[in-house]
Amino acid sequence: NAGVTQTPKFQVLKTGQSMTLQCAQDMNHEYMSWYRQDPGMGLRLIHYSVGAGITDQGEVPNGYNVSRSTTEDFPLRLLSAAPSQTSVYFCASSYSRTGTQDEQFFGPGTRLTVL
Amino acid sequence: AQTVTQSQPEMSVQEAETVTLSCTYDTSESNYYLFWYKQPPSRQMILVIRQEAYKQQNATENRFSVNFQKAAKSFSLKISDSQLGDTAMYFCAFMTPGAQKLVFGQGTRLTINP
Repeated sequence: NAGVTQTPKFQVLKTGQSMTLQCAQDMNHEYMSWYRQDPGMGLRLIHYSVGAGITDQGEVPNGYNVSRSTTEDFPLRLLSAAPSQTSVYFCASSYSRTGTQDEQFFGPGTRLTVL
Repeated sequence: AQTVTQSQPEMSVQEAETVTLSCTYDTSESNYYLFWYKQPPSRQMILVIRQEAYKQQNATENRFSVNFQKAAKSFSLKISDSQLGDTAMYFCAFMTPGAQKLVFGQGTRLTINP
């Protein structure tokens, strides 16, 4: 198993550009989520999904869109990038639909810089 | 809202020493889960240890153990016989059943010196 994969690993955008961060898992996990990591703030939840066709907002959803058309993939879209979205983005997945007692597996992260 | 606080931004110890990282949390829930994650320079998030709040026994994983004080809402991580490979950021995290999200602390940067 490849586990949780994310592409790209690094990305530089200009303000106003759009892009999609890709996340895929091959563990047949129901639950997938996106976090952003900023210095001094730990990781904060952006969006999550408990299964194909089901998504919901987390703590900091503004400026981001998600969709879950398959169990395996959970892309994160930045509609119009802003410097405040400069961060490291992590995708995570777990077997349980609630994502609670089961271990959450994290991808390697994407470092995004918005100029 | 639940919050997690790690009051030690940075710590540094010598190899083979024991080190304790602090974590406190705030919740009105009685059932929840607590986690410690390690993030080495590679950036990968690695689960170190997990504690269920309904279990009184402190969790242990090899050199890693926790001191879970439910009444005090405290969840510290003890690393025994520290190794150079333990150098990393350590995050304390909290989750309630059905909440479907991890709430993270700010992190503690731990450096193990040779």
